[in-house]
Amino acid sequence: QKEVEQNSGPLSVPEGAIASLNCTYSDRVSQSFFWYRQYSGKSPELIMSIYSNGDKEDGRFTAQLNKASQYVSLLIRDSQPSDSATYLCAVADYKLSFGAGTTVTVRA
Amino acid sequence: GAVVSQHPSWVICKSGTSVKIECRSLDFQATTMFWYRQFPKQSLMLMATSNEGSKATYEQGVEKDKFLINHASLTLSTLTVTSAHPEDSSFYICSAILLAGGSYEQYFGPGTRLTVT
Repeated sequence: QKEVEQNSGPLSVPEGAIASLNCTYSDRVSQSFFWYRQYSGKSPELIMSIYSNGDKEDGRFTAQLNKASQYVSLLIRDSQPSDSATYLCAVADYKLSFGAGTTVTVRA
Repeated sequence: GAVVSQHPSWVICKSGTSVKIECRSLDFQATTMFWYRQFPKQSLMLMATSNEGSKATYEQGVEKDKFLINHASLTLSTLTVTSAHPEDSSFYICSAILLAGGSYEQYFGPGTRLTVT
């Protein structure tokens, strides 16, 4: 069973700031890494996938992966109130293993 | 992204009855789908892996005779909660794997909220 650890949160940031989310994982052979956003009462929504070391940018989101350190992060730039949600880090070689999630609140 | 639907979105049933939940991949074929359960303020818990044309693989502690899974086509998997009890009340979410260009992504359905009275 893979272990996936996320910074516990909750994380509160002012509107327009950068929200930084961190995740570490235990299984060195993991190949696929994902960030999901889950609003309260809704199912998870895939917002980023990353497979190789380095940065991947998509709009206001940047994922960073360092396989040597077994670390993956998500930066949310110019945070908006609509970004307020729980962010789940997930690691897969086939089945997904989820972290417990970090709840982000963006203050207007 | 790919679209996965679930039906119904919510259901209320009486204790002892059975409930069927459908999961469909709308714009892609999925040989593998997953079923999760999520209790309030808890993370997702994988219940089983559903493979088209073969028996589902259940996670430890999940009763296969209580949670019947059928994956009869490349776009449809069903979960039947048999003899439901109030403790089965939960948010049930399916997901489907999309394989494209060597990458692997898993997309979730909108979930089904089950309340057993």
